[in-house]
Amino acid sequence: AQTVTQSQPEMSVQEAETVTLSCTYDTSESNYYLFWYKQPPSRQMILVIRQEAYKQQNATENRFSVNFQKAAKSFSLKISDSQLGDTAMYFCAFMKGSSGDKLTFGTGTRLAVRP
Amino acid sequence: DSGVTQTPKHLITATGQRVTLRCSPRSGDLSVYWYQQSLDQGLQFLIQYYNGEERAKGNILERFSAQQFPDLHSELNLSSLELGDSALYFCASSPTSGNYNEQFFGPGTRLTVL
Repeated sequence: AQTVTQSQPEMSVQEAETVTLSCTYDTSESNYYLFWYKQPPSRQMILVIRQEAYKQQNATENRFSVNFQKAAKSFSLKISDSQLGDTAMYFCAFMKGSSGDKLTFGTGTRLAVRP
Repeated sequence: DSGVTQTPKHLITATGQRVTLRCSPRSGDLSVYWYQQSLDQGLQFLIQYYNGEERAKGNILERFSAQQFPDLHSELNLSSLELGDSALYFCASSPTSGNYNEQFFGPGTRLTVL
Protein backbone atom coordinates (compact mmCIF):
# COMPACT_ATOMS: atom_id res chain seq x y z
CA ALA A 1 0.00 0.00 0.00
CA GLN A 2 1.06 3.52 -0.67
CA THR A 3 1.47 6.14 2.04
CA VAL A 4 1.83 9.89 1.74
CA THR A 5 3.26 11.96 4.58
CA GLN A 6 3.03 15.70 5.06
CA SER A 7 4.98 16.57 8.17
CA GLN A 8 4.04 20.26 8.34
CA PRO A 9 0.48 20.67 9.69
CA GLU A 10 0.65 24.46 9.41
CA MET A 11 2.84 27.03 7.74
CA SER A 12 2.82 30.77 7.38
CA VAL A 13 4.44 33.06 4.83
CA GLN A 14 4.56 36.76 4.18
CA GLU A 15 2.90 38.00 1.02
CA ALA A 16 5.32 38.08 -1.94
CA GLU A 17 7.72 35.68 -0.22
CA THR A 18 8.50 32.07 -1.17
CA VAL A 19 7.38 29.02 0.77
CA THR A 20 8.06 25.31 0.38
CA LEU A 21 5.68 22.58 1.49
CA SER A 22 7.08 19.11 2.11
CA CYS A 23 5.75 15.73 1.10
CA THR A 24 7.24 12.26 1.23
CA TYR A 25 5.71 9.05 0.00
CA ASP A 26 6.33 5.37 0.14
CA THR A 27 5.63 2.97 -2.68
CA SER A 28 7.05 -0.05 -4.44
CA GLU A 29 5.52 1.02 -7.74
CA SER A 30 7.79 2.15 -10.54
CA ASN A 31 5.12 3.97 -12.53
CA TYR A 32 3.08 6.57 -10.68
CA TYR A 33 1.94 10.17 -10.54
CA LEU A 34 2.17 12.78 -7.84
CA PHE A 35 -0.11 15.75 -7.34
CA TRP A 36 -0.59 18.81 -5.21
CA TYR A 37 -4.17 19.86 -4.60
CA LYS A 38 -5.29 23.12 -3.03
CA GLN A 39 -8.39 23.36 -0.87
CA PRO A 40 -9.34 26.98 -0.11
CA PRO A 41 -11.98 27.91 2.48
CA SER A 42 -14.64 27.21 -0.15
CA ARG A 43 -13.64 23.51 0.24
CA GLN A 44 -13.29 23.02 -3.51
CA MET A 45 -10.42 20.68 -4.43
CA ILE A 46 -8.26 22.34 -7.06
CA LEU A 47 -5.38 20.65 -8.86
CA VAL A 48 -2.27 22.80 -8.54
CA ILE A 49 0.41 20.73 -10.24
CA ARG A 50 1.12 17.20 -11.47
CA GLN A 51 4.34 15.20 -11.84
CA GLU A 52 4.85 11.97 -13.75
CA ALA A 53 7.37 9.72 -12.00
CA TYR A 54 9.09 8.79 -15.24
CA LYS A 55 9.87 12.41 -16.03
CA GLN A 56 13.06 13.72 -14.49
CA GLN A 57 12.21 17.34 -15.15
CA ASN A 58 10.39 19.05 -12.31
CA ALA A 59 6.91 20.32 -13.17
CA THR A 60 6.14 24.02 -13.04
CA GLU A 61 2.87 25.95 -13.29
CA ASN A 62 3.37 29.70 -13.14
CA ARG A 63 4.30 30.51 -9.51
CA PHE A 64 4.12 26.85 -8.46
CA SER A 65 6.95 24.39 -8.95
CA VAL A 66 7.93 21.05 -7.48
CA ASN A 67 11.18 19.47 -6.38
CA PHE A 68 10.77 15.80 -7.24
CA GLN A 69 13.46 13.56 -5.75
CA LYS A 70 12.51 10.07 -6.86
CA ALA A 71 15.24 8.18 -5.01
CA ALA A 72 14.41 9.98 -1.78
CA LYS A 73 10.65 9.66 -2.48
CA SER A 74 10.22 13.33 -1.86
CA PHE A 75 7.88 15.73 -3.63
CA SER A 76 7.90 19.28 -2.29
CA LEU A 77 5.88 22.23 -3.56
CA LYS A 78 7.40 25.69 -3.88
CA ILE A 79 5.12 28.69 -4.09
CA SER A 80 6.87 31.84 -5.29
CA ASP A 81 5.59 35.39 -4.85
CA SER A 82 2.93 34.19 -2.40
CA GLN A 83 -0.46 35.86 -2.71
CA LEU A 84 -3.31 36.18 -0.23
CA GLY A 85 -5.36 33.88 -2.46
CA ASP A 86 -2.85 31.10 -1.85
CA THR A 87 -4.17 30.77 1.70
CA ALA A 88 -5.57 27.23 1.77
CA MET A 89 -5.01 23.62 2.76
CA TYR A 90 -2.58 21.90 0.46
CA PHE A 91 -2.72 18.16 -0.06
CA CYS A 92 -0.05 15.99 -1.59
CA ALA A 93 -1.47 12.96 -3.41
CA PHE A 94 -0.21 9.77 -5.04
CA MET A 95 -1.68 7.76 -7.87
CA LYS A 96 -0.20 4.51 -9.10
CA GLY A 97 -0.31 2.93 -12.49
CA SER A 98 -0.76 3.96 -16.08
CA SER A 99 -4.55 4.17 -16.06
CA GLY A 100 -7.00 6.02 -13.89
CA ASP A 101 -6.61 4.92 -10.32
CA LYS A 102 -7.52 6.24 -6.88
CA LEU A 103 -5.73 9.10 -5.20
CA THR A 104 -4.01 8.53 -1.86
CA PHE A 105 -3.77 11.80 0.05
CA GLY A 106 -1.52 13.11 2.76
CA THR A 107 -2.96 14.79 5.84
CA GLY A 108 -2.50 18.27 4.42
CA THR A 109 -0.62 21.46 5.26
CA ARG A 110 -2.57 24.56 6.19
CA LEU A 111 -0.87 27.59 4.61
CA ALA A 112 -1.60 31.11 5.75
CA VAL A 113 -0.33 34.02 3.68
CA ARG A 114 0.12 37.15 5.81
CA PRO A 115 -0.45 40.60 4.29
CA ASP B 1 -15.82 25.31 -12.12
CA SER B 2 -14.55 21.75 -12.66
CA GLY B 3 -17.61 20.61 -14.62
CA VAL B 4 -18.48 18.01 -11.98
CA THR B 5 -21.73 18.67 -10.18
CA GLN B 6 -22.90 17.31 -6.85
CA THR B 7 -26.24 17.59 -5.14
CA PRO B 8 -27.24 18.47 -2.55
CA LYS B 9 -24.62 20.91 -1.24
CA HIS B 10 -25.67 20.40 2.33
CA LEU B 11 -27.58 17.62 4.04
CA ILE B 12 -28.61 17.47 7.66
CA THR B 13 -30.19 14.31 8.96
CA ALA B 14 -30.55 12.17 12.06
CA THR B 15 -28.81 9.00 13.17
CA GLY B 16 -30.28 5.86 11.69
CA GLN B 17 -31.49 7.58 8.55
CA ARG B 18 -30.58 6.93 4.92
CA VAL B 19 -29.43 9.52 2.39
CA THR B 20 -28.46 9.60 -1.28
CA LEU B 21 -25.74 11.81 -2.68
CA ARG B 22 -25.71 12.48 -6.40
CA CYS B 23 -22.86 13.23 -8.77
CA SER B 24 -22.76 14.14 -12.45
CA PRO B 25 -19.29 13.79 -14.00
CA ARG B 26 -17.82 16.05 -16.63
CA SER B 27 -19.19 15.47 -20.10
CA GLY B 28 -17.50 12.44 -21.63
CA ASP B 29 -15.78 11.24 -18.45
CA LEU B 30 -16.50 7.57 -17.80
CA SER B 31 -14.75 7.24 -14.43
CA VAL B 32 -16.31 8.43 -11.20
CA TYR B 33 -14.63 8.35 -7.81
CA TRP B 34 -16.09 8.98 -4.37
CA TYR B 35 -13.99 10.35 -1.50
CA GLN B 36 -14.82 11.14 2.11
CA GLN B 37 -13.17 14.01 3.98
CA SER B 38 -13.58 13.91 7.74
CA LEU B 39 -11.68 15.51 10.58
CA ASP B 40 -10.36 12.25 12.00
CA GLN B 41 -9.81 10.22 8.81
CA GLY B 42 -8.69 12.93 6.40
CA LEU B 43 -9.37 12.42 2.69
CA GLN B 44 -10.14 8.80 1.93
CA PHE B 45 -11.04 7.00 -1.26
CA LEU B 46 -14.34 5.15 -1.05
CA ILE B 47 -15.15 3.63 -4.41
CA GLN B 48 -14.62 3.98 -8.17
CA TYR B 49 -16.92 3.27 -11.08
CA TYR B 50 -16.02 3.08 -14.73
CA ASN B 51 -18.75 3.14 -17.35
CA GLY B 52 -21.29 1.62 -14.99
CA GLU B 53 -19.07 -1.04 -13.48
CA GLU B 54 -17.41 -1.01 -10.08
CA ARG B 55 -13.67 -0.82 -10.63
CA ALA B 56 -12.10 -0.35 -7.21
CA LYS B 57 -13.15 -0.25 -3.59
CA GLY B 58 -11.44 1.55 -0.76
CA ASN B 59 -12.41 2.08 2.86
CA ILE B 60 -16.12 1.99 2.22
CA LEU B 61 -18.37 0.76 4.99
CA GLU B 62 -20.90 -1.99 4.33
CA ARG B 63 -23.63 0.53 5.20
CA PHE B 64 -22.56 2.53 2.16
CA SER B 65 -23.20 1.60 -1.44
CA ALA B 66 -22.86 3.28 -4.79
CA GLN B 67 -23.81 2.85 -8.41
CA GLN B 68 -23.25 4.46 -11.75
CA PHE B 69 -26.14 4.74 -14.15
CA PRO B 70 -26.21 4.46 -17.96
CA ASP B 71 -26.14 8.25 -18.27
CA LEU B 72 -22.92 8.06 -16.18
CA HIS B 73 -24.20 9.94 -13.17
CA SER B 74 -23.44 8.25 -9.89
CA GLU B 75 -25.16 7.98 -6.54
CA LEU B 76 -23.68 7.22 -3.14
CA ASN B 77 -26.15 5.74 -0.68
CA LEU B 78 -25.43 5.98 3.03
CA SER B 79 -27.69 4.08 5.40
CA SER B 80 -28.05 3.55 9.16
CA LEU B 81 -26.22 6.80 9.58
CA GLU B 82 -24.01 7.38 12.60
CA LEU B 83 -22.59 10.58 14.03
CA GLY B 84 -19.18 9.60 12.67
CA ASP B 85 -20.49 9.65 9.12
CA SER B 86 -20.62 13.43 9.26
CA ALA B 87 -18.15 14.54 6.60
CA LEU B 88 -17.64 16.21 3.27
CA TYR B 89 -18.22 13.77 0.43
CA PHE B 90 -16.52 14.48 -2.86
CA CYS B 91 -17.14 13.05 -6.26
CA ALA B 92 -14.46 13.27 -8.93
CA SER B 93 -14.30 12.25 -12.56
CA SER B 94 -11.44 11.60 -14.94
CA PRO B 95 -11.17 11.49 -18.73
CA THR B 96 -10.57 8.30 -20.67
CA SER B 97 -7.91 9.78 -22.92
CA GLY B 98 -5.31 12.48 -22.66
CA ASN B 99 -4.71 13.31 -19.01
CA TYR B 100 -6.63 10.30 -17.73
CA ASN B 101 -4.68 10.48 -14.49
CA GLU B 102 -6.14 13.87 -13.64
CA GLN B 103 -9.22 13.89 -11.43
CA PHE B 104 -11.66 16.78 -11.44
CA PHE B 105 -13.50 17.26 -8.18
CA GLY B 106 -17.03 18.40 -7.60
CA PRO B 107 -17.85 20.98 -4.90
CA GLY B 108 -18.75 18.26 -2.41
CA THR B 109 -21.78 17.45 -0.28
CA ARG B 110 -21.55 18.39 3.38
CA LEU B 111 -23.34 15.74 5.44
CA THR B 112 -24.20 16.45 9.04
CA VAL B 113 -25.65 13.63 11.13
CA LEU B 114 -27.30 14.79 14.36
